[in-house]
Amino acid sequence: GAGVSQSPRYKVTKRGQDVALRCDPISGHVSLYWYRQALGQGPEFLTYFNYEAQQDKSGLPNDRFSAERPEGSISTLTIQRTEQRDSAMYRCASSSTSLGELFFGEGSRLTVL
Amino acid sequence: RKEVEQDPGPFNVPEGATVAFNCTYSNSASQSFFWYRQDCRKEPKLLMSVYSSGNEDGRFTAQLNRASQYISLLIRDSKLSDSATYLCAVNMRGNTPLVFGKGTRLSVIA
Repeated sequence: GAGVSQSPRYKVTKRGQDVALRCDPISGHVSLYWYRQALGQGPEFLTYFNYEAQQDKSGLPNDRFSAERPEGSISTLTIQRTEQRDSAMYRCASSSTSLGELFFGEGSRLTVL
Repeated sequence: RKEVEQDPGPFNVPEGATVAFNCTYSNSASQSFFWYRQDCRKEPKLLMSVYSSGNEDGRFTAQLNRASQYISLLIRDSKLSDSATYLCAVNMRGNTPLVFGKGTRLSVIA
């Protein structure tokens, strides 16, 4: 597609369930980033990949959060045993270089009841 | 001290006004600086990069002050369509992801 595509756009789940959020970056973009954005806040870095290699996962809040990009294209962010505090907008972004302009997707809004 | 700080606003200005935002950063070794614009319920989009010598794009001017560790964004002749949240973003050190500020909300009023 022309832009970064994220799915699902909206996810409502019950506390304790696992969720998987998907990101399809712009074709050919080397770098893929996951950010989380709370209302009224800026995007907060979670993790990023160059190709299939996870370069930095220092922003993942705890070990319930993980991400992968096995073939260097589509990425999945997985949250296990969700908690209410995980509710937020999860944004994926891609870039043609590791320090280039970030192109964001529309985000996946997660609500944990 | 937070890595990247912005005044959250809101800045409420009349059409045609000039408005300026600052953003401070904590790491003196920071290398790359950007302003992103985010409309309500939308994703952030790059507005402009900030170069050491300063740069201008139409009504928008961005400047970097390394000595005082801040970047600025100046908007001249404000339009209603400029109403948005402006996020500054900084690479805190080489080859690291962008760190964003919380954003400054601008409302341009007719």
